[in-house]
Amino acid sequence: DQQVKQNSPSLSVQEGRISILNCDYTNSMFDYFLWYKKYPAEGPTFLISISSIKDKNEDGRFTVFLNKSAKHLSLHIVPSQPGDSAVYFCAALRAQPSRTGANNLFFGTGTRLTVIP
Amino acid sequence: DAGITQSPRHKVTETGTPVTLRCHQTENHRYMYWYRQDPGHGLRLIHYSYGVKDTDKGEVSDGYSVSRSKTEDFLLTLESATSSQTSVYFCAISRSGTTNNEQFFGPGTRLTVL
Repeated sequence: DQQVKQNSPSLSVQEGRISILNCDYTNSMFDYFLWYKKYPAEGPTFLISISSIKDKNEDGRFTVFLNKSAKHLSLHIVPSQPGDSAVYFCAALRAQPSRTGANNLFFGTGTRLTVIP
Repeated sequence: DAGITQSPRHKVTETGTPVTLRCHQTENHRYMYWYRQDPGHGLRLIHYSYGVKDTDKGEVSDGYSVSRSKTEDFLLTLESATSSQTSVYFCAISRSGTTNNEQFFGPGTRLTVL
């Protein structure tokens, strides 16, 4: 059962416009959320994160919004650039680390963003 | 750059053969993870390690085993490869076990089981 869902497999946006990528989760024990960006033939790279005690976190052109009551988060990219074209994964962590101290990430299925020049 | 390498980067093998994938890190991090990425599933955790000789199962551990005999290396073994194990495998590390700690990923190994 997918605990983190990205219901849009793809998104196309004109260069300079806003890209909005959405993510929903079902497990109320998640309290830290991350976005990763992945180019073909490379590993995912960390982009931005947010704790559940916040509703917004901003880093340059990237802003993540969290609506905890709706179990929904979104990533906004403004302005979008052709180099932003990649697959974006939403991921979540549980409130308490496991007994081993490791943090097991739960990933969504990804959204492929294409920014058209 | 988290200093993570994976080998091999590509492998084609036949059903029933054993396969071992290697993850190597240069920064002495305690936690290491193996994920697989498949269309329609995102990345799913196979096994992870929280120290030398300390490992535990993840979400999709059936058919896989792991070993960590030294801090820098984490091996993933498919004892008898099946076609359902055709996938892209990613290794990751995290710098500590704190809740808000990001994981950093290696470049991946594309495995094809014929």
